[in-house]
Amino acid sequence: GAVVSQHPSWVICKSGTSVKIECRSLDFQATTMFWYRQFPKQSLMLMATSNEGSKATYEQGVEKDKFLINHASLTLSTLTVTSAHPEDSSFYICSAEQAQTNTDTQYFGPGTRLTVL
Amino acid sequence: DAKTTQPPSMDCAEGRAANLPCNHSTISGNEYVYWYRQIHSQGPQYIIHGLKNNETNEMASLIITEDRKSSTLILPHATLRDTAVYYCIVRVVLSQKVTFGTGTKLQVIP
Repeated sequence: GAVVSQHPSWVICKSGTSVKIECRSLDFQATTMFWYRQFPKQSLMLMATSNEGSKATYEQGVEKDKFLINHASLTLSTLTVTSAHPEDSSFYICSAEQAQTNTDTQYFGPGTRLTVL
Repeated sequence: DAKTTQPPSMDCAEGRAANLPCNHSTISGNEYVYWYRQIHSQGPQYIIHGLKNNETNEMASLIITEDRKSSTLILPHATLRDTAVYYCIVRVVLSQKVTFGTGTKLQVIP
């Protein structure tokens, strides 16, 4: 149980184009999903918190107009990188939170490798 | 969320127990200790979590000191597939944020 998928697993795009990444919780409903970015040899950095049916909360320094997040259902959140540039090349990882008695556990997707040429 | 301190790297012989320490001296009473690991180029994998009692599951054991200022993740019989970066995280109950530190890079040696 508690499986999170991401699609695509990797994508290469030209500079200036937009890329959409999907995150799905396959066997549980997630009211909250998270988007992280990870550069080579660095730790995960939280970009935004996404709650179903409401606007995402972005971390300081993350441009909300560049990284569009939609959480339309309890099992799907999308991240769209608009007008991508080479510096946006990174490993993007989502997670979904499964509510448990008195605690919450986040389960992570396998990640999406974005390369912008 | 409280800050954690972990050694940057550790080696462990295959088949032996891997003991990964984590210091969280500023942990609050309502913060849980979570452990995740990240194998190269994959998303983090949940391992275990606990509040104050020791916990065990099919993957690992978590030992939390009585004062809760530190904990140890134990992989009882390390295999080569356990080579990964291990992250210790403390998190307020029902908090939404998970903040990753730099973790411990565990290398299991044949």
